[in-house]
Amino acid sequence: ELKVEQNPLFLSMQEGKNYTIYCNYSTTSDRLYWYRQDPGKSLESLFVLLSNGAVKQEGRLMASLDTKARLSTLHITAAVHDLSATYFCAVNTGNQFYFGTGTSLTVIP
Amino acid sequence: GAVVSQHPSRVICKSGTSVKIECRSLDFQATTMFWYRQFPKQSLMLMATSNEGSKATYEQGVEKDKFLINHASLTLSTLTVTSAHPEDSSFYICSARDQRWLGTGERGTQYFGPGTRLLVL
Repeated sequence: ELKVEQNPLFLSMQEGKNYTIYCNYSTTSDRLYWYRQDPGKSLESLFVLLSNGAVKQEGRLMASLDTKARLSTLHITAAVHDLSATYFCAVNTGNQFYFGTGTSLTVIP
Repeated sequence: GAVVSQHPSRVICKSGTSVKIECRSLDFQATTMFWYRQFPKQSLMLMATSNEGSKATYEQGVEKDKFLINHASLTLSTLTVTSAHPEDSSFYICSARDQRWLGTGERGTQYFGPGTRLLVL
């Protein structure tokens, strides 16, 4: 059974600070996704990472993928309050998605 | 981007009744749709894979007789929670897989519906 683990589960950080969320998965994967979920809402797609060494950036968020280490990171630069949400990584293998445990991020003014 | 809708967005029902949730892909055809369940402050758990024109594939531990899935057309999948009980209260999210080649290499991207919040009293 494929396992997808995120670290940390909860993150409280001050505005302006940097931090990284880690996503480890247990088997080979076609691609890796990062999503954002606001309370009571569905998922918003942030990034799709397709190959080893892939790096994508959007605003204050940057995602990377190391398929050899089975690790993806989501780096937050100079956090702002609007980034407060729960972030999920998801691994796509074959026809299915497996979601990580989620990281609940709170950015404190 | 592609849009997936769900209906209803919220439903409250009495214990023992059945509830049907619809998932539609609005601007693309989806041979495969997925149903997830999410409990408060937890991750999404895949319940089943819905295949157009054939039986759904259920994940281990999901009762197929309780969660009936029908994928009768390329744009519609339904999840029926039969004889619902309070423990079935959850946030149900569907996704649809866009099989078209998008040029950016993101073939087969999944698009998620807005979710259906079910409360069983």
